[in-house]
Amino acid sequence: GENVEQHPSTLSVQEGDSAVIKCTYSDSASNYFPWYKQELGKGPQLIIDIRSNVGEKKDQRIAVTLNKTAKHFSLHITETQPEDSAVYFCAATKQAGTALIFGKGTTLSVSS
Amino acid sequence: GAVVSQHPSWVICKSGTSVKIECRSLDFQATTMFWYRQFPKQSLMLMATSNEGSKATYEQGVEKDKFLINHASLTLSTLTVTSAHPEDSSFYICSAHPPRAENTEAFFGQGTRLTVV
Repeated sequence: GENVEQHPSTLSVQEGDSAVIKCTYSDSASNYFPWYKQELGKGPQLIIDIRSNVGEKKDQRIAVTLNKTAKHFSLHITETQPEDSAVYFCAATKQAGTALIFGKGTTLSVSS
Repeated sequence: GAVVSQHPSWVICKSGTSVKIECRSLDFQATTMFWYRQFPKQSLMLMATSNEGSKATYEQGVEKDKFLINHASLTLSTLTVTSAHPEDSSFYICSAHPPRAENTEAFFGQGTRLTVV
């Protein structure tokens, strides 16, 4: 089955800096890669996603890149703000409507 | 986006009792919902796939007789933790996908914090 590895497990940055979180996946059939932000005591919220027919996607300060050949995808947050502090999870799935396989999460801390 | 609601948001129960958690899709019908469990500072682990009108599919290592899942309608799935023990204390989260084949986006409930004392 699919296995998703995520690094780093913790990331501390200064406000205004960029943050990069990386994930690798094992199943070449996976074709959908979402990123979720989870705040303490809450459910995950989708922040951006990418499908396998696209190499990069951007939404304001957030971008995701996908390298299908290497089977890795990354989340980039620019101009970080304290409210970006949260746990971020990457995930992968290979079929519409099926369950997601999550990475172990990255705790991002943005200090002002 | 679509809304998935979970109830209750937190519950404390005595060891040996049963607890029911509801997951509702508020603005779409979901033939399939997913239940995840998340221990502190860990990732979300899939427990089972809830299928409307049929039996749930459980992941390896998840006891189907302990975690009863009922998906009686297209907008409601319930997870009942039977004979709960302190090791069942966790954050339980459900998700559902709007029924468009090209859309794989999953919407998550707000989670239920279960504490067994």
